[in-house]
Amino acid sequence: ELKVEQNPLFLSMQEGKNYTIYCNYSTTSDRLYWYRQDPGKSLESLFVLLSNGAVKQEGRLMASLDTKARLSTLHITAAVHDLSATYFCAVESGFQKLVFGTGTRLLVSP
Amino acid sequence: EAGVAQSPRYKIIEKRQSVAFWCNPISGHATLYWYQQILGQGPKLLIQFQNNGVVDDSQLPKDRFSAERLKGVDSTLKIQPAKLEDSAVYLCASSLDRGLAGAVEQFFGPGTRLTVL
Repeated sequence: ELKVEQNPLFLSMQEGKNYTIYCNYSTTSDRLYWYRQDPGKSLESLFVLLSNGAVKQEGRLMASLDTKARLSTLHITAAVHDLSATYFCAVESGFQKLVFGTGTRLLVSP
Repeated sequence: EAGVAQSPRYKIIEKRQSVAFWCNPISGHATLYWYQQILGQGPKLLIQFQNNGVVDDSQLPKDRFSAERLKGVDSTLKIQPAKLEDSAVYLCASSLDRGLAGAVEQFFGPGTRLTVL
């Protein structure tokens, strides 16, 4: 059974700082997705990573995938308050099925 | 393009009552998913439909939960009877079949927040 773990579970950081969220998974997959969820809202797709070594960037967020290490990272550069949200990684397992991680709650303060 | 629609947005019931949720996916999306998201956790897949058929319902508590997708479009998820531990947000998502790029990007609806008292 595929297990997806994220760390940290909670991240409090100051504006302007950099940090990385890690997503580890237990069985082979070469498709990984990152989602953002604001409090009381639904999930918004951020990145789709489809192969080993894939790197995607949007604004202050950059995601990468290492399928051999079964690891994805979401790097935050020069954080701003608007990035405060919960971030989920999800790994594709079976036929178009996603298994979600535990989520990382990010709080960016001045 | 209209997104995934769900109703109701909120529902409060007492345990042992029944409840139903409705989902209308993005037009043209063949695959529809129902997820349960308990507070502080990631979404957990309950059931996945491909057009009218069930692809995966391995995590659906079939003694109390049921779902259907008539005509391959709208879907309903029912809980009967509800338990306290069913309190959660129920999310519906839809996706196209895998395209040339190989992605299966799922688009989520706003969810239904269920409270069981």
